[in-house]
Amino acid sequence: QSVLTQPPSVSGAPGQRVTISCTGSSSNIGAGYDVHWYQQLPGTAPKLLIYGNSNRPSGVPDRFSGSKSGTSASLAISGLQAEDEADYYCQSCDSRLSNWVFGGGSKLTVL
Amino acid sequence: EVQLVESGGGLVKPGGSLRLSCGASGFTFSNAWMTWVRQAPGKGLDWLGRIKSKPAGGTIEYAAAVRGRFTISRDDSKDTLYLQMNSLRTEDTAVYYCTTTGAECGGDCSNFWGQGTLVTVSS
Repeated sequence: QSVLTQPPSVSGAPGQRVTISCTGSSSNIGAGYDVHWYQQLPGTAPKLLIYGNSNRPSGVPDRFSGSKSGTSASLAISGLQAEDEADYYCQSCDSRLSNWVFGGGSKLTVL
Repeated sequence: EVQLVESGGGLVKPGGSLRLSCGASGFTFSNAWMTWVRQAPGKGLDWLGRIKSKPAGGTIEYAAAVRGRFTISRDDSKDTLYLQMNSLRTEDTAVYYCTTTGAECGGDCSNFWGQGTLVTVSS
């Protein structure tokens, strides 16, 4: 059971917008820790997609955006493309565990 | 270009030991904070621990699941990160990734990842 809760799967048609939620608690997201998002394409290592809740590393398209409110965070992907089909993970820190914590991952299917 | 290359994975019996290495290039390794993350087959990501740079104090933090069994270390003269794994269990079977820990997120996210090395613990 992951400390951060994500939906196991999300889907959308090409061109559509999807969101992936990441729900935590008062010891992690709710404690003010930043949320980061990773994209893992099939058979590859994860890649940093969003850092510090809403910032994109160089090279990440602006179709990807992140937000955070209270004990939750969200990743939004607009203008879905077939190449966006991947697993997405949220990550934060937890004061009770003194750990980084990850969500269980969400598999995005582009219909 | 940042490159991280893990090595040392393989098949090991339960109770055995293994040392993973991660060779780094394309950045100043001695100033970098580094992290190990693993991923069991078909499962999610699991943080193992982080080592800060020596200028930042060299502090090492571990996840509770591996504290006392796994040891993270670094050799800045060789630009190499290590993960010594002892008393291995079948549930330690996973791909092990080394990552750089990004200054842009205060050292609390992984901004570059290696390709990973597979560790299989089985009798």
